[in-house]
Amino acid sequence: ETGVTQTPRHLVMGMTNKKSLKCEQHLGHNAMYWYKQSAKKPLELMFVYSLEERVENNSVPSRFSPECPNSSHLFLHLHTLQPEDSALYLCASSHDRGQTYEQYFGPGTRLTVT
Amino acid sequence: GNSVTQMEGPVTLSEEAFLTINCTYTATGYPSLFWYVQYPGEGLQLLLKATKADDKGSNKGFEATYRKETTSFHLEKGSVQVSDSAVYFCALTYQTGANNLFFGTGTRLTVIP
Repeated sequence: ETGVTQTPRHLVMGMTNKKSLKCEQHLGHNAMYWYKQSAKKPLELMFVYSLEERVENNSVPSRFSPECPNSSHLFLHLHTLQPEDSALYLCASSHDRGQTYEQYFGPGTRLTVT
Repeated sequence: GNSVTQMEGPVTLSEEAFLTINCTYTATGYPSLFWYVQYPGEGLQLLLKATKADDKGSNKGFEATYRKETTSFHLEKGSVQVSDSAVYFCALTYQTGANNLFFGTGTRLTVIP
């Protein structure tokens, strides 16, 4: 596979469930990102990992827990979510140094919290 | 601070019409500028980019020129197609480590036959 992949593509979960979103990049990048895209709101950056270390956490609630075990994989662990957390969750990757700064996005996971 | 402002949508055009989506930015220093496109049911795809003043990014018939004097990066296409229907996002980033993108709110384009 090439590019950035995300699984699952769709997820429905109850408020008491625990689930994880997975992202994998095959581009040789060393920075990875989680974004939340809600209807009628700007894209929200949630987490940034550079060289497998978290470098930014934009005040995201603790019910979202990221994990980056290596430069190719990124997870978002979910527990006790709220209905307002329903959104499209996008993963992206980029180089962290050098002249190429554009981010490449996965197709997203459409999350519905019931 | 850094921010991007793009024109409110939605925009509806007939096929073969001329497209302009305005984008202006606020930033210190010299950011890189991007246009991303999101087709229905998909993630964002990089459409074009420009990394310094007066650069012109182009792809798939779309163009945008980095105008430092007006802090703008307007997206244009001479003749749109139905397949161009999507949401378009203007964004900027800095050439530093652990960079992140500052996005505009997106402009939905619908092209009708």
